[in-house]
Amino acid sequence: DGGITQSPKYLFRKEGQNVTLSCEQNLNHDAMYWYRQDPGQGLRLIYYSQIVNDFQKGDIAEGYSVSREKKESFPLTVTSAQKNPTAFYLCASSRGTYRGGEETQYFGPGTRLLVL
Amino acid sequence: GEDVEQSLFLSVREGDSSVINCTYTDSSSTYLYWYKQEPGAGLQLLTYIFSNMDMKQDQRLTVLLNKKDKHLSLRIADTQTGDSAIYFCAEKWGGGNKLTFGTGTQLKVEL
Repeated sequence: DGGITQSPKYLFRKEGQNVTLSCEQNLNHDAMYWYRQDPGQGLRLIYYSQIVNDFQKGDIAEGYSVSREKKESFPLTVTSAQKNPTAFYLCASSRGTYRGGEETQYFGPGTRLLVL
Repeated sequence: GEDVEQSLFLSVREGDSSVINCTYTDSSSTYLYWYKQEPGAGLQLLTYIFSNMDMKQDQRLTVLLNKKDKHLSLRIADTQTGDSAIYFCAEKWGGGNKLTFGTGTQLKVEL
């Protein structure tokens, strides 16, 4: 089965702690994305990566970090600098068309992060 | 894509048609998408439309695009309780890969 997996489903963070959310895809997609979703709000882009070993900040990157060492994996670290981390985090991937073509993003099931 | 707006809530009776609306501001939008999100889950692609089309139909779903008014709508015929979810529109603009998402419309289907 091709798809995107995220783990864990629920994650608890203590004050001052860094936590890492996992995102893996076996769709052979070049591009991957991290979004944050708060109740009653749309999706806000945290970071995205168009190719291995490259990534760019999205609209709300402060307090987050990412890496893209493998095509299949795009982990997100929520650092202690993120003062309001409680949210639903969604990972997505897309083919990565560089000539303006159709670019459906496929989403994982999400990770809910809660602060203790 | 600067801003994509949707109304927050829509309530319909089972069997009626639902129409979910979306407005966007970037005239260079190339593709426009509709996604569905069920509680506690990720987003699932429903359909998309290329900006040079006016309409696209896929079974119970009809997408209408008015480029002049920058208005996109999703019509769901014969709405069922399983259609209760949050619906997001999204636009892809320019030559990049990023999508800009609307705030989502919560659809509630009542018996």
